[in-house]
Amino acid sequence: TQLLEQSPQFLSIQEGENLTVYCNSSSVFSSLQWYRQEPGEGPVLLVTVVTGGEVKKLKRLTFQFGDARKDSSLHITAAQPGDTGLYLCAGTNTGGFKTIFGAGTRLFVKA
Amino acid sequence: NAGVTQTPKFRILKIGQSMTLQCTQDMNHNYMYWYRQDPGMGLKLIYYSVGAGITDKGEVPNGYNVSRSTTEDFPLRLELAAPSQTSVYFCASYTGGVNIQYFGAGTRLSVL
Repeated sequence: TQLLEQSPQFLSIQEGENLTVYCNSSSVFSSLQWYRQEPGEGPVLLVTVVTGGEVKKLKRLTFQFGDARKDSSLHITAAQPGDTGLYLCAGTNTGGFKTIFGAGTRLFVKA
Repeated sequence: NAGVTQTPKFRILKIGQSMTLQCTQDMNHNYMYWYRQDPGMGLKLIYYSVGAGITDKGEVPNGYNVSRSTTEDFPLRLELAAPSQTSVYFCASYTGGVNIQYFGAGTRLSVL
């Protein structure tokens, strides 16, 4: 059974601080996605990483895919209250259409 | 462009009742999925479909059934509701290639 472990589960920080969220597995994935979910809504895709070692940037968010395609990280620089939400990582199997999700990291950024 | 539409948004069921959660997408996506999300947890795959007439089990299929008679619709059926099925249910669709799943807004179900 494939599993994705996210850490930390919960993070409360002050505005302006930096943070990193980790997503780890013993399985290899063909791609890995990061989603952000607001209360009462479905997850919204932030980024998909495909190539081992790939780094993608989305404004203050930096996503990295591990060289072996088993893990990923999300780094937020100078967090803002608008970054508050549940961040989910998800890995897609080598067949390309089944995705498993981590349990999520709940981020709260205080003004 | 509506994307993925789920109905109803909320529902309370009594133990043993049955219901169908509706999901429709207007993006002509072949792949569709049903997930459940328990409090403080990630999403667990219940069933998925790779095209009309083709469905398969995910991680937690027990107590659920699906059908896919058209590309647009992928309903999820609960036959004998149990308290363990209290959850938020999300439907998603995907076109293929690099994985970008589009999610509906969810159905919040309570079984009492």
